[in-house]
Amino acid sequence: KAGVTQTPRYLIKTRGQQVTLSCSPISGHRSVSWYQQTPGQGLQFLFEYFSETQRNKGNFPGRFSGRQFSNSRSEMNVSTLELGDSALYLCASSPSGEHTEAFFGQGTRLTVV
Amino acid sequence: QKEVEQDPGPLSVPEGAIVSLNCTYSNSAFQYFMWYRQYSRKGPELLMYTYSSGNKEDGRFTAQVDKSSKYISLFIRDSQPSDSATYLCAMIPGTASKLTFGTGTRLQVTL
Repeated sequence: KAGVTQTPRYLIKTRGQQVTLSCSPISGHRSVSWYQQTPGQGLQFLFEYFSETQRNKGNFPGRFSGRQFSNSRSEMNVSTLELGDSALYLCASSPSGEHTEAFFGQGTRLTVV
Repeated sequence: QKEVEQDPGPLSVPEGAIVSLNCTYSNSAFQYFMWYRQYSRKGPELLMYTYSSGNKEDGRFTAQVDKSSKYISLFIRDSQPSDSATYLCAMIPGTASKLTFGTGTRLQVTL
């Protein structure tokens, strides 16, 4: 069974640009959550999608947005990139939104220059 | 103050040692407590989770929760160099809630 797949693995962008990251959950999983990981703050919750609906949202500015498609794949978008957005972005999938069973992808390393 | 506090380490121990990793938290609503292991350049991997207070054992790993003290621990017996990683605690008030993580403790097991 394939795990959670995130693409791309690495990305370098310039301040002011926008970026879209992709996450394919484990087959059959309907919930996808996104987290930002930085050395200073650790893992911080961005948002969760379940059956194409945003179910939970963290304390991030509106520049961070996401969506989920009918096949459960999810994308997150960051507009007007800032240097502080440099981080590892992780997505986690779970079968039915029970986060005791969350499986993480390897992440997308975003560097903003 | 963060909801979940975790000593960042690094913690260096010799092979075969018993390792104790800990987290404290402030939100008494947390009911489920998870431990993740994260190798360099990889995503976190769930080791085990515990509901409410008590102990849970899985092979060389034992998770312990003391809700009265708002303190959780992960013990690793007979530590191996392959255990060298960052260990993250996470907790949630309910299974559908978002995970709140500690910042992680970096563990190095030396030969």
